[in-house]
Amino acid sequence: DVKVTQSSRYLVKRTGEKVFLECVQDMDHENMFWYRQDPGLGLRLIYFSYDVKMKEKGDIPEGYSVSREKKERFSLILESASTNQTSMYLCASRPGNRAGDGYTFGSGTRLTVV
Amino acid sequence: QQQVKQSPQSLIVQKGGISIINCAYENTAFDYFPWYQQFPGKGPALLIAIRPDVSEKKEGRFTISFNKSAKQFSLHIMDSQPGDSATYFCAASKGSNYQLIWGAGTKLIIKP
Repeated sequence: DVKVTQSSRYLVKRTGEKVFLECVQDMDHENMFWYRQDPGLGLRLIYFSYDVKMKEKGDIPEGYSVSREKKERFSLILESASTNQTSMYLCASRPGNRAGDGYTFGSGTRLTVV
Repeated sequence: QQQVKQSPQSLIVQKGGISIINCAYENTAFDYFPWYQQFPGKGPALLIAIRPDVSEKKEGRFTISFNKSAKQFSLHIMDSQPGDSATYFCAASKGSNYQLIWGAGTKLIIKP
């Protein structure tokens, strides 16, 4: 069974801290994504990557950066955490770019910034 | 033009009833319309998807109805069960674009 694993289920960080959210997929998928999920706002794309060392900004990249040094791992970095970054963060992967290529999501990391 | 508008935001249905969630889009270039289901504490998972060359697709109790002229598509859950209680997202994409454009989600509660 294919898997996307997010390293932490819950995180509590202080304002100003640098925060790393890790995501690993075991499906050899080309594309990986970071979303944040907030009530009433659905899923908002932060960054995505279509290849190792490649990254593209999504809809809300401000305050975030990403790293993809290996195909299976996609990290989201909050350079200086702020309270408005308190959210559920979801990582996803997708095998390719055909329309039928579904997204596989991790279970999410609920981040609280205090 | 990139938006997908989903309604209602929340929905309560009696067990055995029909749950209906609607989505509308503007971009006529969209050619793939999936629905994702998310249970509490889990990430969304692909439930069912449709291409615009058909008007309906059925998988078990789940049916997508697609109206190309109205630029609308909907998810129907027949004989709704408490285990269907989840958040449902519609989405759309065009061609080989990397991204899905997501609706805001509908929280569905099936009352026993």
